[in-house]
Amino acid sequence: EPEVTQTPSHQVTQMGQEVILRCVPISNHLYFYWYRQILGQKVEFLVSFYNNEISEKSEIFDDQFSVERPDGSNFTLKIRSTKLEDSAMYFCASSVGLREPLHFGNGTRLTVT
Amino acid sequence: DAKTTQPPSMDCAEGRAANLPCNHSTISGNEYVYWYRQIHSQGPQYIIHGLKNNETNEMASLIITEDRKSSTLILPHATLRDTAVYYCIVRGTGTASKLTFGTGTRLQVTL
Repeated sequence: EPEVTQTPSHQVTQMGQEVILRCVPISNHLYFYWYRQILGQKVEFLVSFYNNEISEKSEIFDDQFSVERPDGSNFTLKIRSTKLEDSAMYFCASSVGLREPLHFGNGTRLTVT
Repeated sequence: DAKTTQPPSMDCAEGRAANLPCNHSTISGNEYVYWYRQIHSQGPQYIIHGLKNNETNEMASLIITEDRKSSTLILPHATLRDTAVYYCIVRGTGTASKLTFGTGTRLQVTL
């Protein structure tokens, strides 16, 4: 069964550095999402992306964050100037259609030191 | 998106049916009920979704009341591997129809 793939599984970075989290959505999917989950807290929506542009973003998704689909397969989340509070699991998801289920990857654990 | 209410935790004996309730009294007519689960810190896993009718797939059954104000997820024969946090989500009809996760029900399946 096709799945959403995220790399790396664990990323450690120093405060103030930039990180790029990578995702390969399921190949025929058109809608892409990023979520995050701080340890012990809820899964939080960050951003949705369709037709090469952001469809919706949350208050968390400020100027520090950006998303890109640089080619036909990858979907990336860039975090500029990381802060300690950016430490979390980041999940990528994709869906084939607007009303279809989201399928999630197994996440990247980001640790900011 | 309509708010959902779930019990924080439930126990179930292995082999028995697990019935997980969810209240969504403010659901709108065109909003779907989705169920996901999260095992440890893995990515949320899609289970099932429905609008009005009861639904069944290889993982579970979803029973939605006639007034659509509540639903029940049924795992017919729970196993230890079903121990997880289960999320009931009412999905809105916005541009990209994001999912909004609550705190869910922590299901513990025991021997």
